[in-house]
Amino acid sequence: EAQVTQNPRYLITVTGKKLTVTCSQNMNHEYMSWYRQDPGLGLRQIYYSMNVEVTDKGDVPEGYKVSRKEKRNFPLILESPSPNQTSLYFCASSIVSGLEEGTGELFFGEGSRLTVL
Amino acid sequence: GQQLNQSPQSMFIQEGEDVSMNCTSSSIFNTWLWYKQEPGEGPVLLIALYKAGELTSNGRLTAQFGITRKDSFLNISASIPSDVGIYFCAGHRTGNQFYFGTGTSLTVIP
Repeated sequence: EAQVTQNPRYLITVTGKKLTVTCSQNMNHEYMSWYRQDPGLGLRQIYYSMNVEVTDKGDVPEGYKVSRKEKRNFPLILESPSPNQTSLYFCASSIVSGLEEGTGELFFGEGSRLTVL
Repeated sequence: GQQLNQSPQSMFIQEGEDVSMNCTSSSIFNTWLWYKQEPGEGPVLLIALYKAGELTSNGRLTAQFGITRKDSFLNISASIPSDVGIYFCAGHRTGNQFYFGTGTSLTVIP
């Protein structure tokens, strides 16, 4: 089954304790992205990757890191989490490559709810 | 980043009624997407549109890609209680990022 898988789905942690949220897709998509969703603010992009070893900042990258060593995986790293990073996080992937018009269906994971105390 | 203008922000309707919502942008897109999201879950893709003027249906859902490429609408006919959720649009330009609407919260009253 084609899917985007995130782990963990739920996490409660404390300020300053490094954590990683994993994301994996089995659709051979070039594009992967991380979003956070907060009440009243909608989806905001944290980082995205157009392909392996290529990552770029989105709208709210502060406090986050990512890596794209393999096509299927795109982990989100919080080196020193703070309470303002409490949010619902989504990973997403797409086949969009920038080479063809008409592509661009974006598929989301089920979300990771993070609470930083 | 750019957010798309989506309206209405919320809707409270009786079961059986039709629903209409739309998204507008100041920029043109090559793809319009419509999603439904239920509480605590990831957005699920409902309909994807690829050509200006395209009208596409998925069961009771119908969506259209505006002629100007700057807007799209989603209609839900004969609403049922399980239609409850947040619906949002997304636009994409080739080689560029995805941009999202702010969402329409739909409540269906049995």
